[in-house]
Amino acid sequence: TAGITQAPTSQILAAGRSMTLRCTQDMRHNAMYWYRQDLGLGLRLIHYSNTAGTTGKGEVPDGYSVSRANTDDFPLTLASAVPSQTSVYFCASSDYVTGGADTQYFGPGTRLTVL
Amino acid sequence: QKEVEQDPGPLSVPEGAIVSLNCTYSNSAFQYFMWYRQYSRKGPELLMYTYSSGNKEDGRFTAQVDKSSKYISLFIRDSQPSDSATYLCAIISNFGNEKLTFGTGTRLTIIP
Repeated sequence: TAGITQAPTSQILAAGRSMTLRCTQDMRHNAMYWYRQDLGLGLRLIHYSNTAGTTGKGEVPDGYSVSRANTDDFPLTLASAVPSQTSVYFCASSDYVTGGADTQYFGPGTRLTVL
Repeated sequence: QKEVEQDPGPLSVPEGAIVSLNCTYSNSAFQYFMWYRQYSRKGPELLMYTYSSGNKEDGRFTAQVDKSSKYISLFIRDSQPSDSATYLCAIISNFGNEKLTFGTGTRLTIIP
C-alpha cells in the first residue's frame, strides 16, 4: 500500500516563481492536510480539506492555495515564492469524523528551497 | 504562550536506558493525546494515542496523561538505537472542527 505520495522530493525554486506541490493518497481518507515543518517551530498547518470540494485555512495560510477536486489529490500551490517559504512540506490524510479524534498519516515530505 | 510546549532537546542516552519525553499544554479542552515518531528525512508516523488520563502501554512504550496538570509523557524502556528519532506530541480537542496541535518535537539519540 502506497499510502501518501508527494512530489517532488525536493526542489530549488527562484523567488517569484510559482510551484505546485503534489499530494496523492490511496486510503480513501476524507480529510487531507498540508503542513510546513521548520526548525524550532514544529509542524504548522497551512491548509486543510475535510472532504472533497471543501478547503479551509490553517495557522499559516498566507502565500499558499489549495484545491480538492477529488478524494485522492490535494495540491498545494505557491503563487509567487519567497525565501521565507523555504521549508519541508508534509501532506497528511485522516478519516476525519466531526467531534472525533483526528489520527493523521503523513507523506514523506517535499524539501523546498526558495532562493 | 504556545498551546503545546515540548523540550526540543537534543537528548542523548545510552542504549538500554529508560527515556522520558514530555509535553505540557495550556487548553483544558484538549481531549486526545498522541505521540508521533519522525525518523530523519521522513514523515511523522503515529506511535501511540490515548484519550484519557492514566497510562497506556504498547511494548516498550508507555504513554502517560495527567489532565489535572496538563502534562503528557512518553516513556521508552530498554531503549534501542532504532529508537533514535524526533518525537512529537500532538493534541486535539474533540469539539467541532479543531485540528491537531503539535509540539515542536524532541530529538532523541540512543548511543550504542
